[in-house]
Amino acid sequence: GAGVSQTPSNKVTEKGKYVELRCDPISGHTALYWYRQSLGQGPEFLIYFQGTGAADDSGLPNDRFFAVRPEGSVSTLKIQRTERGDSAVYLCATKGGGANVLTFGAGSRLTVL
Amino acid sequence: GQQLNQSPQSMFIQEGEDVSMNCTSSSIFNTWLWYKQDPGEGPVLLIALYKAGELTSNGRLTAQFGITRKDSFLNISASIPSDVGIYFCAGLSGAGSYQLTFGKGTKLSVIP
Repeated sequence: GAGVSQTPSNKVTEKGKYVELRCDPISGHTALYWYRQSLGQGPEFLIYFQGTGAADDSGLPNDRFFAVRPEGSVSTLKIQRTERGDSAVYLCATKGGGANVLTFGAGSRLTVL
Repeated sequence: GQQLNQSPQSMFIQEGEDVSMNCTSSSIFNTWLWYKQDPGEGPVLLIALYKAGELTSNGRLTAQFGITRKDSFLNISASIPSDVGIYFCAGLSGAGSYQLTFGKGTKLSVIP
């Protein structure tokens, strides 16, 4: 696609529920990143994929968070047993084609009640 | 971890005025980036700086990579209403580094 597509754009869930957030990267971009942006803050790194493998997941806050990219394209960020503190905008960004800069999606806004 | 201190946090300016914002770090970065984020959107890259001392322009925007590699500034000249948004600095720390560290942002409001 022309840009990074993220779905859903908004997700409201109840504490304790499981959520999945999807990222469709720019076609051909091999590097994919997830960032989390809390209200009034800059984005914070969560995880980085190069192809299918998670090259660095050091930013994931705890083991309730997990991300996959099984075919090296679409990625899914999975959050188990959601907590109110998980409420944030989850941004996906991709890089490729020789460019050294990230292109961000519009984000998925997660609200945990 | 690394932190970027971005200032000011917010600013209200009159249309036509020039704007300046900056970022400092306690550690060295090899690449400085400036992004703009509109409500409901992801950050969009404005300017990328790759060398200490580099001064780069993009239209009415000018940014500089500090000599010490621990700071950068962004200037916007002759502001217009569509400049409204949140501006973020971000840094990459080393060769082959991929993990961006962002500042907390400067919220710009332009009064017509």
